[in-house]
Amino acid sequence: NAGVMQNPRHLVRRRGQEARLRCSPMKGHSHVYWYRQLPEEGLKFMVYLQKENIIDESGMPKERFSAEFPKEGPSILRIQQVVRGDSAAYFCASSILGTNQYEQYFGPGTRLTVT
Amino acid sequence: TQLLEQSPQFLSIQEGENLTVYCNSSSVFSSLQWYRQEPGEGPVLLVTVVTGGEVKKLKRLTFQFGDARKDSSLHITAAQPGDTGLYLCAPSGNTPLVFGKGTRLSVIA
Repeated sequence: NAGVMQNPRHLVRRRGQEARLRCSPMKGHSHVYWYRQLPEEGLKFMVYLQKENIIDESGMPKERFSAEFPKEGPSILRIQQVVRGDSAAYFCASSILGTNQYEQYFGPGTRLTVT
Repeated sequence: TQLLEQSPQFLSIQEGENLTVYCNSSSVFSSLQWYRQEPGEGPVLLVTVVTGGEVKKLKRLTFQFGDARKDSSLHITAAQPGDTGLYLCAPSGNTPLVFGKGTRLSVIA
């Protein structure tokens, strides 16, 4: 009963490098959500994707951040030219149906540290 | 914008004590979810409440949804160290999940 998988669990990048975070949803789930959690803060929504479509990216910074969920393979959250302020835990969640009335199941997160 | 407040922000209690944490909003929720997040892990869904006045029990945890569907509470009976974690509420509807900042619970043996 594989849950939501994320890798890597920990990622260290120097300022200016790129970070790629991967998320494989639960089996049978075709909706993926990305959230960011800063230390001592709550979870903040970033983006909601279906296969090959971005449904809602209202929480995504306008620059340097992008997300995709291809037909095959995991969802990717990409951060270009990382800065120290990008250091955070990034969580992916998946659900069966797209409306938020349905429950989202979270992965263990990727902890990004920018040095 | 839906304002969501969780209280208390921090709670430290002895094993065996009872406690209640709250989730309040300025808006009406169509439904609401409670999650627990342990250090270094992702949030784990505990329960979804849908109907105003609904009460759901999960072992020693009792979740209540307010009659007006603007607030919810989580009561833990005889807390144990394994209950330690960050308790998050998130109302669900037609917008992305908006989480409160959570209540950070520490149960001391």
